[in-house]
Amino acid sequence: GESVGLHLPTLSVQEGDNSIINCAYSNSASDYFIWYKQESGKGPQFIIDIRSNMDKRQGQRVTVLLNKTVKHLSLQIAATQPGDSAVYFCAENLKRGGFKTIFGAGTRLFVKA
Amino acid sequence: EPEVTQTPSHQVTQMGQEVILRCVPISNHLYFYWYRQILGQKVEFLVSFYNNEISEKSEIFDDQFSVERPDGSNFTLKIRSTKLEDSAMYFCASSSGGTGYGYTFGSGTRLTVV
Repeated sequence: GESVGLHLPTLSVQEGDNSIINCAYSNSASDYFIWYKQESGKGPQFIIDIRSNMDKRQGQRVTVLLNKTVKHLSLQIAATQPGDSAVYFCAENLKRGGFKTIFGAGTRLFVKA
Repeated sequence: EPEVTQTPSHQVTQMGQEVILRCVPISNHLYFYWYRQILGQKVEFLVSFYNNEISEKSEIFDDQFSVERPDGSNFTLKIRSTKLEDSAMYFCASSSGGTGYGYTFGSGTRLTVV
C-alpha cells in the first residue's frame, strides 16, 4: 500500500523540552521522506527531508531519523518553543510514472509555557 | 523568499457552479501540484503537472476537475460543477524537481460550496 500514518494525533510538551513526533510508512519502495509543519490558516511548510540512503539528518533544532527496517520516521525538535506549536505531517515522495507526495494524518504539537 | 501565491483566499459558490482556483507558482519551478484539505483532516493529493501535462492524479481528481497552465506564470484548478463535499482548503504547490524535492505550498483557497 501507499499509506503514511502517525502514531499519535496530539503531543503536548513543556517549553524548552525536546519533542519527538513519530510516523510509520508502508511503502518500502519510497526513497524520499519529508516533514512539513502547518500552522493554523496556512499551507504546509517544508521543515526537513531525508533520502532512504540516510539514517539521520540534522537541521537547525530539528533532526529526522529514518529506520527502514521497521519503516519508521521520526522528527525531533530540540528546545521546543511556543512557535513550534502546529500540526506536523510526515510525507512520502512516490514516483511511479508520475510525481506525488503522500501525507500522513498529522500530529498536533502543543507547547506549554 | 519566493512564494507560491493563491487567489482568492476564500471563495463561496453555489452547488453546481463552476469555480476556478488560481495559483502563481515559484517562477523557476517546473513541477506543480494541487492538494486539498478538508477541515481537520490530512492533506490529500489531487494532481501533479509537468511539461504542460498531468503527471499523476488521484481518485479524487475525476472528470469534474481539470488543471491548466494558461500562460507562463499561472496554474489553475477548475471544478466544473461543484458539490457540497468539494468544500475544503485547496493548496497549490510547486517544486524544482519531480522527486527528491520538497514542495513550496501556497496559503490556500478556502472553498465553501453552499
